[in-house]
Amino acid sequence: DAGITQSPRHKVTETGTPVTLRCHQTENHRYMYWYRQDPGHGLRLIHYSYGVKDTDKGEVSDGYSVSRSKTEDFLLTLESATSSQTSVYFCAISEWRGNTDTQYFGPGTRLTVL
Amino acid sequence: TQLLEQSPQFLSIQEGENLTVYCNSSSVFSSLQWYRQEPGEGPVLLVTVVTGGEVKKLKRLTFQFGDARKDSSLHITAAQPGDTGLYLCAGRLDKLSFGAGTTVTVRA
Repeated sequence: DAGITQSPRHKVTETGTPVTLRCHQTENHRYMYWYRQDPGHGLRLIHYSYGVKDTDKGEVSDGYSVSRSKTEDFLLTLESATSSQTSVYFCAISEWRGNTDTQYFGPGTRLTVL
Repeated sequence: TQLLEQSPQFLSIQEGENLTVYCNSSSVFSSLQWYRQEPGEGPVLLVTVVTGGEVKKLKRLTFQFGDARKDSSLHITAAQPGDTGLYLCAGRLDKLSFGAGTTVTVRA
């Protein structure tokens, strides 16, 4: 399972409050990703990181920020949560072999914004 | 608009029947992957195909990458209840893009 944990696993919060989700990996992978999964949309990339302090935006980055101060931790922050951010959030790492990679996913965090 | 269109969205079949899931795009991908996801868990990689026309088999699952590297299919022979899950295709351009998924239910 590539040693990926996410916390919390479930969270209910109110509109306008800040929320931080944590992804932790134990195998020193360089690339880490945050996705959200919604019915009818599959997995959509929010932000990704290619090293400590090196991050970039994905296709649905508005309203989200990330930080990576250590190789093992990748944090996703919703500065002011909105109901449209109710979703299941998955963290993933990449393992590259040649010119293809395998992404290993964490167990997910179910976030409800009321 | 999804870069990758999967069809059908839902599929319910009886144990022992065959099924095919399709993944189509107008983009050319350097590689295409199929993942399977069970409720409450993250997706797990089943296969990666990289060459146009490539066919890979994994027990009762057969994966095909289109000649033009724009589409793929997943065929399951003699489906079993354990095959139930959400099947996602993902194509790589500069980043990995996922289809919306096909929910497969195999009834005992």
